[in-house]
Amino acid sequence: GAVVSQHPSWVICKSGTSVKIECRSLDFQATTMFWYRQFPKQSLMLMATSNEGSKATYEQGVEKDKFLINHASLTLSTLTVTSAHPEDSSFYICSVGGGISYEQYFGPGTRLTVT
Amino acid sequence: AQTVTQSQPEMSVQEAETVTLSCTYDTSESNYYLFWYKQPPSRQMILVIRQEAYKQQNATENRFSVNFQKAAKSFSLKISDSQLGDTAMYFCAFMKPGGGATNKLIFGTGTLLAVQP
Repeated sequence: GAVVSQHPSWVICKSGTSVKIECRSLDFQATTMFWYRQFPKQSLMLMATSNEGSKATYEQGVEKDKFLINHASLTLSTLTVTSAHPEDSSFYICSVGGGISYEQYFGPGTRLTVT
Repeated sequence: AQTVTQSQPEMSVQEAETVTLSCTYDTSESNYYLFWYKQPPSRQMILVIRQEAYKQQNATENRFSVNFQKAAKSFSLKISDSQLGDTAMYFCAFMKPGGGATNKLIFGTGTLLAVQP
């Protein structure tokens, strides 16, 4: 399957600042990437679908102005959390689609802590 | 809208024994895909097994197999010869293919499996 990396793996930022998370597909050209959020002991919640060269598709209830997604190339998508607040603290995971049976391959995740 | 239900929040099994995790889903679609993913303590999501709805034969991957009952909308995962490394959260997921943003996974709430030595 596809190999997906995320950077950073853990970030701490102050309330009111912005933080960028990168998701890279290392061996697969991904026209579509997905961004998820996961709270402790809970399931993954899809935030948005990142489309290469076009605007992201956000799930209902997700603030597009707060969670900016850019998919500028077939191997890189970024998620920027703007004006972060403590309630944005969470585990953010990206994935790449395109398996032979539509399976997705996931990055290792990024733990965001907002103080 | 499609939904996925995992009714067992936690399960425990002895090493080398067999355990079955339950999953049911609701959809009006006829063509779709089902997956089981595991998330160990490292939190890396790992694909365990996949099943295409149009295939009647149950998928098998080494010690992992599924019981896919399309009419009953049931998709259980059987783990044989359980190993300590199988300890993880297991998520059942549904996907209706359609390209791009429609290829999104719908996850169940997960089952936390503990393999006891």
